Amino acid sequence: AQKITQTQPGMFVQEKEAVTLDCTYDTSDQSYGLFWYKQPSSGEMIFLIYQGSYDEQNATEGRYSLNFQKARKSANLVISASQLGDSAMYFCAFREDNQGGKLIFGQGTELSVKP
Amino acid sequence: EAGVAQSPRYKIIEKRQSVAFWCNPISGHATLYWYQQILGQGPKLLIQFQNNGVVDDSQLPKDRFSAERLKGVDSTLKIQPAKLEDSAVYLCASSLNRWKGSGANVLTFGAGSRLTVL
Repeated sequence: AQKITQTQPGMFVQEKEAVTLDCTYDTSDQSYGLFWYKQPSSGEMIFLIYQGSYDEQNATEGRYSLNFQKARKSANLVISASQLGDSAMYFCAFREDNQGGKLIFGQGTELSVKP
Repeated sequence: EAGVAQSPRYKIIEKRQSVAFWCNPISGHATLYWYQQILGQGPKLLIQFQNNGVVDDSQLPKDRFSAERLKGVDSTLKIQPAKLEDSAVYLCASSLNRWKGSGANVLTFGAGSRLTVL
């Protein structure tokens, strides 16, 4: 069964505007984690933000925030004040906490920031 | 701290040839992962090591892929014989430990090894 879904293959955003990248997941477990990674054209996966299933507050890291809606099983990434350097692939990843730490990745969303 | 090191960055081979990729994780990281990322897709886990033991190799095509982490530090992923569909980026990642019930236990990735099979 598909564990994690990103439905937006590509997104455009104007520089300095905010953008939301969607991510939904499927699990019957109570304990899990959600991650977002950025992959620029150089290829390296860069960790952005993490949300645990028991965390009551949405995670924030600088311009990145995670809009976690547990009942809807969604974990959308919000990037505020987009910059040209934000242009990249963005991957949502899911960790089942009884599976030893491995991440299951979505298909990714390509974000393009326009000047 | 130094990041996850991978080599070679690029490799082009003919089908049915063999290839090996090397990964050196962040010092002190007990858990090492190899992921395969086919163009246009998200990374898919091939194998996970905890120290020098295999935790999960359920998605490793064992008829042609092998991996080892003999001393619990660096690791080698081998493909023999290669097929056209093995063309992908092979990403190595490491984390401090297997997840133990608290905290993020973030996976740190290397730059990847891009394989082209002709």
